[in-house]
Amino acid sequence: DTGVSQNPRHKITKRGQNVTFRCDPISEHNRLYWYRQTLGQGPEFLTYFQNEAQLEKSRLLSDRFSAERPKGSFSTLEIQRTEQGDSAMYLCASSFGPNQPQHFGDGTRLSIL
Amino acid sequence: QKEVEQDPGPLSVPEGAIVSLNCTYSNSAFQYFMWYRQYSRKGPELLMYTYSSGNKEDGRFTAQVDKSSKYISLFIRDSQPSDSATYLCASPLISYNTDKLIFGTGTRLQVFP
Repeated sequence: DTGVSQNPRHKITKRGQNVTFRCDPISEHNRLYWYRQTLGQGPEFLTYFQNEAQLEKSRLLSDRFSAERPKGSFSTLEIQRTEQGDSAMYLCASSFGPNQPQHFGDGTRLSIL
Repeated sequence: QKEVEQDPGPLSVPEGAIVSLNCTYSNSAFQYFMWYRQYSRKGPELLMYTYSSGNKEDGRFTAQVDKSSKYISLFIRDSQPSDSATYLCASPLISYNTDKLIFGTGTRLQVFP
């Protein structure tokens, strides 16, 4: 059990550029979640996958955001045409099933210049 | 009103003190409660996971849930400088599709030697 892995750890980009983050969940965890955390706040839910199916998306997830989990294993979160307000820590979590604890990765910190 | 309220602190205590961290929640649908610890520039780390009202103990940590007053607490005995972190309370909002976590803002704790 190597834990949830996220890459890159830190991404610096110019406003307007596209960025993509990757999350590798704990193996055999079929549930995968994306959250966003800004300074001084708790994480906020963005979207959720059960295996490869994306079952819920938050209103926070504008049409510039897209997430995939193509084979039910790793997931990617892409942000197109980044804006200053996208600067945040993007966290991925996984769990074994319903009502089971969610385990988080160390996140990708996005900085928009 | 946020669904989970938490005093942001900071809370500063001397080494060896008993620390009490608290959250209130408003949604009666919350059934499970978690406490996460988050070090700077790291992801949240699960500390405690409870379901029923009452106490749950794990080493120096005790989680307490009072569903009648919608109040949850985390007690840390014999606090250490290594306990200095942000502590997040959370509860899964369970629906047909998901069990996304709703977090408080986090309480920043500093334990000084």
